[in-house]
Amino acid sequence: SQQGEEDPQALSIQEGENATMNCSYKTSINNLQWYRQNSGRGLVHLILIRSNEREKHSGRLRVTLDTSKKSSSLLITASRAADTASYFCALSTSGTYKYIFGTGTRLKVLA
Amino acid sequence: ETGVTQSPTHLIKTRGQQVTLRCSSQSGHNTVSWYQQALGQGPQFIFQYYREEENGRGNFPPRFSGLQFPNYSSELNVNALELDDSALYLCASSLGGALGAFFGQGTRLTVV
Repeated sequence: SQQGEEDPQALSIQEGENATMNCSYKTSINNLQWYRQNSGRGLVHLILIRSNEREKHSGRLRVTLDTSKKSSSLLITASRAADTASYFCALSTSGTYKYIFGTGTRLKVLA
Repeated sequence: ETGVTQSPTHLIKTRGQQVTLRCSSQSGHNTVSWYQQALGQGPQFIFQYYREEENGRGNFPPRFSGLQFPNYSSELNVNALELDDSALYLCASSLGGALGAFFGQGTRLTVV
């Protein structure tokens, strides 16, 4: 399957701690995106990382990509209760027109 | 806010009925994709429209159909609704695949 698989499926941390979630995949990609989803609402675009990039930052977010291991990670530093959400990775592969989503990581940040 | 708007936000339909969902893409985006997200799952690709033509389709039956208009807005039509069609339907607009896709808030469809 080309589907991205997030790990862990669920994560519960205290406010102020860092949260790390991982995405593994099985095919070559053009780019990989991370999205946040609150309570079954729309997906919020967080970061896009291209296959020739290794790391990107946006505020408290840090994304890494290791194409040799076919994996990506999303780090949220100094987490807040408002970061409580589901996080998805989405893959764009060569010659295709769609994004393939994983099953997501449910993050709960306790105040 | 992404600039992608979907309507309606919630909808209840009876099995066997037909439904039309609407999406206005972000300004300047010429590509619209539709996804179905069942409860507790990741979004699944339904199809994509590029400049009013279908540009790819996922593993969904023909009763799922769509349109894209000259202003790049789009519709998703589902005929002969089944209970399993109950899901969140998400529209995403983009300007080519390399720049990322931006999603609307979704339409929650319940089939009873």
